[in-house]
Amino acid sequence: DGGITQSPKYLFRKEGQNVTLSCEQNLNHDAMYWYRQDPGQGLRLIYYSQIVNDFQKGDIAEGYSVSREKKESFPLTVTSAQKNPTAFYLCASSSHQSSYNEQFFGPGTRLTVL
Amino acid sequence: LAKTTQPISMDSYEGQEVNITCSHNNIATNDYITWYQQFPSQGPRFIIQGYKTKVTNEVASLFIPADRKSSTLSLPRVSLSDTAVYYCLVGDGGSYKLIFGSGTRLLVRP
Repeated sequence: DGGITQSPKYLFRKEGQNVTLSCEQNLNHDAMYWYRQDPGQGLRLIYYSQIVNDFQKGDIAEGYSVSREKKESFPLTVTSAQKNPTAFYLCASSSHQSSYNEQFFGPGTRLTVL
Repeated sequence: LAKTTQPISMDSYEGQEVNITCSHNNIATNDYITWYQQFPSQGPRFIIQGYKTKVTNEVASLFIPADRKSSTLSLPRVSLSDTAVYYCLVGDGGSYKLIFGSGTRLLVRP
């Protein structure tokens, strides 16, 4: 089954701790993205990567970091510098062969800071 | 990137046709119009994309007038399972950045 997986589904973190959210895709897509969604709001772009070993900041990158060492994987680290990290985090991917407007999303990780 | 404006919410009944209009006055020549659907606690799902006139697939139709400053997503004969948030996005497909607004919350009643 092709698709995007995110783990864990729910994550709890104590203030001051870093935490890493996993995103894996087996769609052979070149581009991958991380979004944050707050209740009742749309999605906001955190980071995106067009190709392995390259990534760019989105609109709200402060307090987050990413890596893209493999085509299939794009983990997101929420650092202690992120002041309000409680949110729903979505990973997506797209193919260079089709319109970049068509992104495929994972099921999301809901992060709660205690 | 062009900004989009949609109604905050809409109500409908099962079996009706629902039309959600999106305004995008600053759309650029190379921009495509794309609609996504999102259920609670899930990632958005691509519904349909178009550039001009009309596009139809198995779940929806997209109507785009000649000036392309607006677009209408048409959902035929909605069911309860169509209750979701619908997002209209405009982009040229090359920027990698999709701007999601707050979307339109569609509630389908029995």
